[in-house]
Amino acid sequence: AQKVTQAQTEISVVEKEDVTLDCVYETRDTTYYLFWYKQPPSGELVFLIRRNSFDEQNEISGRYSWNFQKSTSSFNFTITASQVVDSAVYFCALSEATSNTGKLIFGQGTTLQVKP
Amino acid sequence: GAVVSQHPSWVICKSGTSVKIECRSLDFQATTMFWYRQFPKQSLMLMATSNEGSKATYEQGVEKDKFLINHASLTLSTLTVTSAHPEDSSFYICSAGQPHITDTQYFGPGTRLTVL
Repeated sequence: AQKVTQAQTEISVVEKEDVTLDCVYETRDTTYYLFWYKQPPSGELVFLIRRNSFDEQNEISGRYSWNFQKSTSSFNFTITASQVVDSAVYFCALSEATSNTGKLIFGQGTTLQVKP
Repeated sequence: GAVVSQHPSWVICKSGTSVKIECRSLDFQATTMFWYRQFPKQSLMLMATSNEGSKATYEQGVEKDKFLINHASLTLSTLTVTSAHPEDSSFYICSAGQPHITDTQYFGPGTRLTVL
């Protein structure tokens, strides 16, 4: 069965600290896609990254970086030098290629609070 | 990224009335649209998958007669909450995608429904 687990419900850091949001997934598919979305207080989900199962290269985009490790079924997200504007709920999600429906399975989300 | 709009952004209605929510993909043709429901401090729950020109596929436990979904064109899907009750009050989010091309979904800003 497919499942996404974000064990951290809430994280609070002080501005400029680095923070890592954990994501662990379960799937029987060999081809799948992993996503991170940000949901600020306004409610709109903002797409951050998509990674396919065959690409284990880590990615960096500005202060954001992602660590994909198939051996541990994890796709963790790190924010470096956090800022108040990073405060939001972050969702990790999984899509299985064999379903061919594009359905996303979401984790429970991690609420990040960055204090000034 | 692609832009998806939702209308209205918020609505308050009386119990027993019906409410229609529109989801539009503004700059791409969405073969598939998804409707989610999100309760406060919870994750997104997929309600149904809507493919243009065909009937929507509802997730287990979602009443198809209560949540009517229409996907008449490649840029528009509507969700109608019929005979709304206070327990239907929630944040409804749509997303649009092209699963045959990419697994990335783009989300609308959401509609907050309050049923009195």
